[in-house]
Amino acid sequence: KQEVTQIPAALSVPEGENLVLNCSFTDSAIYNLQWFRQDPGKGLTSLLLIQSSQREQTSGRLNASLDKSSGRSTLYIAASQPGDSATYLCAFRSYNTDKLIFGTGTRLQVFP
Amino acid sequence: NAGVTQTPKFQVLKTGQSMTLQCAQDMNHEYMSWYRQDPGMGLRLIHYSVGAGITDQGEVPNGYNVSRSTTEDFPLRLLSAAPSQTSVYFCASSSPGGGYEQFFGPGTRLTVL
Repeated sequence: KQEVTQIPAALSVPEGENLVLNCSFTDSAIYNLQWFRQDPGKGLTSLLLIQSSQREQTSGRLNASLDKSSGRSTLYIAASQPGDSATYLCAFRSYNTDKLIFGTGTRLQVFP
Repeated sequence: NAGVTQTPKFQVLKTGQSMTLQCAQDMNHEYMSWYRQDPGMGLRLIHYSVGAGITDQGEVPNGYNVSRSTTEDFPLRLLSAAPSQTSVYFCASSSPGGGYEQFFGPGTRLTVL
């Protein structure tokens, strides 16, 4: 069964810290991996999409990397702000399926 | 572009009632999916479609029906609501031409009494 694990499940940090969120997956036939943000009571917002041929993607203070050989992706958040507080989800699509497999997320709180 | 829209935002049903959750997208995406999100369970795929007239089951399809008569719309029908279907439902769409980047609607919060 394809699985996605996100560590840590929850994280609380002071404003200004640089953060690393981890995502590991079991399927080596990965097509792409996507990071999402979800605010309480809201839908999912796409942050970054990494295709299997890419090693990383960047958007503003966010950088996501992909290591297919180890089955891992990391989301790096630079200079965290209280507005970054949300749940962060990763999900991957395999070549073997039309489906997106989700992790259970990392709940991030950044306090002033 | 409105992106992915869902109606209603909130719904309360009694056990045994039926209803349809609406989903529409204006991005001309071929792929559309329905997920449910429950505490501690993450997002689970209910049904998905790779194009008009084509649907398939996901991880938790029982108690739900879908159809895809147009590219834009992908309604989810609850045939006979049960308390176990209390959840938040999300619709999403993507396109092979867009690298399968998935876009989500705002969700429908359903309570079945």
